[in-house]
Amino acid sequence: EPEVTQTPSHQVTQMGQEVILRCVPISNHLYFYWYRQILGQKVEFLVSFYNNEISEKSEIFDDQFSVERPDGSNFTLKIRSTKLEDSAMYFCASSNAPLRPEQYFGPGTRLTVT
Amino acid sequence: AQSVTQLGSHVSVSEGALVLLRCNYSSSVPPYLFWYVQYPNQGLQLLLKYTTGATLVKGINGFEAEFKKSETSFHLTKPSAHMSDAAEYFCAVSAVLGSARQLTFGSGTQLTVLP
Repeated sequence: EPEVTQTPSHQVTQMGQEVILRCVPISNHLYFYWYRQILGQKVEFLVSFYNNEISEKSEIFDDQFSVERPDGSNFTLKIRSTKLEDSAMYFCASSNAPLRPEQYFGPGTRLTVT
Repeated sequence: AQSVTQLGSHVSVSEGALVLLRCNYSSSVPPYLFWYVQYPNQGLQLLLKYTTGATLVKGINGFEAEFKKSETSFHLTKPSAHMSDAAEYFCAVSAVLGSARQLTFGSGTQLTVLP
């Protein structure tokens, strides 16, 4: 069964450093998403991406964040200058919206900023 | 704007007992509703979904949920709990903004199954 994959599973970085989180969505899906879950808190929407551009973004997704689909399979989230409060689990998801709106999630990348 | 409220951050049931996890939503447009399960140190797995049509939807692992528009609810049930059901469960509503449909999640309910 196709699944969303994410790398790395755990990333430790120092405050102020840039990080890139990688995702491979399900191959025939057209919509891609990033969510984050700070420890003990809700899963929060960050951004959605379709047809090589951002569809929607939340207020969390400020100028330090960017997304890219550099090739036909990968989907990346870049955080330019990490802050302590960026420490969270980051989930990638994909879907075939609008026909099939359910989103399939990857296993997540745990980002720890020290 | 959409929102989801899950009543009860922790629910404990005995093995073999009924599981009932409560979810109420708020949406300005007809919602799409989902339940996801998260096992420790894992991602979110789709349990079931409501989009249109039948209001009682069945999912994986014996779970089902009923969409009740008049009560703005989408409670998750399972007739008989199994030890392997212990996990965190998230209710989510799909925000129909354009076609990307971002998900808004509830705070989650941790289900403990007692032997």
